[in-house]
Amino acid sequence: AQSVTQPDIHITVSEGASLELRCNYSYGATPYLFWYVQSPGQGLQLLLKYFSGDTLVQGIKGFEAEFKRSQSSFNLRKPSVHWSDAAEYFCAVGFPSGNTGKLIFGQGTTLQVKP
Amino acid sequence: NAGVTQTPKFQVLKTGQSMTLQCAQDMNHNSMYWYRQDPGMGLRLIYYSASEGTTDKGEVPNGYNVSRLNKREFSLRLESAAPSQTSVYFCASRAADSYEQYFGPGTRLTVT
Repeated sequence: AQSVTQPDIHITVSEGASLELRCNYSYGATPYLFWYVQSPGQGLQLLLKYFSGDTLVQGIKGFEAEFKRSQSSFNLRKPSVHWSDAAEYFCAVGFPSGNTGKLIFGQGTTLQVKP
Repeated sequence: NAGVTQTPKFQVLKTGQSMTLQCAQDMNHNSMYWYRQDPGMGLRLIYYSASEGTTDKGEVPNGYNVSRLNKREFSLRLESAAPSQTSVYFCASRAADSYEQYFGPGTRLTVT
């Protein structure tokens, strides 16, 4: 069955430190891949997406993610975290077969930033 | 350009009451989706409408009904609310040529 796993429920990093949030998926082909961010009490905002091509994609707010087909992973990175990055982050996967556009979301990773 | 709007923002219901959550988008998107968000479970798809005039069940449809009123509007109805339906509900929409979904601000529903 198709699934998305974010192994880390909570992550705490110091402001200015680097960040990597993990995402793994289970699917027989290359899916469409997304990272969304949710600030407290808010809706979801798209950080970046991967459909095809260059496996390193750049997003908003200084985030990037790398698609690794061999590891079925799409990890999110940021070289220097700011206090305003504290939020919940969701990895999502879309599957090209059919045209429903349905996404499957991971469980989410809550990022806490220490001053 | 408001994007995706949802009403109400907050609602408290008693067990057995009914209500309808409203969603509208002004981006001329074909597809619309309803999700629920529960702690530790991410977002789970309740129902979706791939195009105007069609609706289909998602992962957790039990206890819900939907109506795609027109291209702009997609409502979610709880006929007889249960405490297990306490959640945050998000509506999203998608253009025909993209897999990217745009989300509304959410409705926080509590059923007592």
